[in-house]
Amino acid sequence: QITLKESGPTLVRPTQTLTLTCTFSGFSLNTSGVGVGWMRQPPGKALEWCALIYWDDEKRYSPTLRSRLTITKDTSKNQVVLRMTNMDPVDTATYYCAHRPYRKGPYDYWGQGTLVTVSS
Amino acid sequence: VMTQSPGTLSLSPGERATLSCRASQSVSSSYLAWYQQKPGQAPRLLIYAASSRATGIPDRFSGSGSGTDFTLTISRLEPEDFAVYYCHQSGSLVGRTFGQGTKVEIK
Repeated sequence: QITLKESGPTLVRPTQTLTLTCTFSGFSLNTSGVGVGWMRQPPGKALEWCALIYWDDEKRYSPTLRSRLTITKDTSKNQVVLRMTNMDPVDTATYYCAHRPYRKGPYDYWGQGTLVTVSS
Repeated sequence: VMTQSPGTLSLSPGERATLSCRASQSVSSSYLAWYQQKPGQAPRLLIYAASSRATGIPDRFSGSGSGTDFTLTISRLEPEDFAVYYCHQSGSLVGRTFGQGTKVEIK
């Protein structure tokens, strides 16, 4: 049974760096083809894809967020970490991590999401 | 860029729902998925590779299309199907990879 759970601060000040952790179980990021992605969703708005990391440490970033994002994995802890610098109120959103079973595949299991508010 | 239409679909239970997703450039069918999202919940995978149902998804949900035009059809709406639906392409990073969503609401 695959599960994922996001954790991190619920409130971030403008200009600060956000660090989110996705802790998962039921699969390994050592398995060929597997990836974990991050998406976000501002309140009342559509989903936005942010970043992705694969089992072989290949990383992909949204072109619009690339300069601010870093994604890393710790396979021993079954965790994927997303860092986003220079946070702004427009970054207020629910952030989700999700499992991708193979390259360019769908996101078949999602975490419950974590709401991050950016405010002074 | 993925563009969904209509923005909102008002239908009654038992009716057929047809949701459209158009890509600004051709997308391989292998990389097109549909998700359902209910208020306060994470998205749920319904369809992948344009027409394959995910595990546990009822057969009233079907996907079709190729190239730039894709469709999600719900043959007979059940009360639990009223939600927001998103298409997503995973073949390219250029532009918006998720559509803006179609809300299926009770008429």
